[in-house]
Amino acid sequence: DTAVSQTPKYLVTQMGNDKSIKCEQNLGHDTMYWYKQDSKKFLKIMFSYNNKELIINETVPNRFSPKSPDKAHLNLHINSLELGDSAVYFCASSQDFGSGYGYTFGSGTRLTVV
Amino acid sequence: DAKTTQPTSMDCAEGRAANLPCNHSTISGNEYVYWYRQIHSQGPQYIIHGLKNNETNEMASLIITEDRKSSTLILPHATLRDTAVYYCIVRVVKAAGNKLTFGGGTRVLVKP
Repeated sequence: DTAVSQTPKYLVTQMGNDKSIKCEQNLGHDTMYWYKQDSKKFLKIMFSYNNKELIINETVPNRFSPKSPDKAHLNLHINSLELGDSAVYFCASSQDFGSGYGYTFGSGTRLTVV
Repeated sequence: DAKTTQPTSMDCAEGRAANLPCNHSTISGNEYVYWYRQIHSQGPQYIIHGLKNNETNEMASLIITEDRKSSTLILPHATLRDTAVYYCIVRVVKAAGNKLTFGGGTRVLVKP
């Protein structure tokens, strides 16, 4: 039973399209995150939600919009996809949004924009 | 946040202990040391964390020097499945939300 699950695992799409990535966690955690890992393998946080409330919003283009319908789900919608959006996107969750331990990550969504 | 310095890569022999160093000479008193790892094509995995005392769990041990300027993650009996990138992160606990930031990490290759 996967703790943090993301769908789809792979996503290939054309420039200009709109796409969504879904994330669900069954750990009962209060906080969820979206991270982006680029071609240089650096992981950067994009967003964080705590109990459905946005608490971290890094310098991310407005084309990226997270949505949390409940605390077990955090989806990422991307409008007008660009080549530079190609990356692996990881969803994560943690029980305590104040600490840095015990993050559980999903297996990632590899987005390729052509 | 304190900056961390880790070797870019290291090899270790299967069955032997793997000692992964991390330098965080500018760490402040309220900053914790966290270790995560990322196995190829997977999401990062939490390993262990500590403030000033040494810590041990089922995965690893964390040794923090008395001045807290450096730490070592010890994998007691490395297996091939421990091949991964290991990240040492120093971060203060913040009530407003914690941005766990991953640097370059150490690429560890466990060899048979």
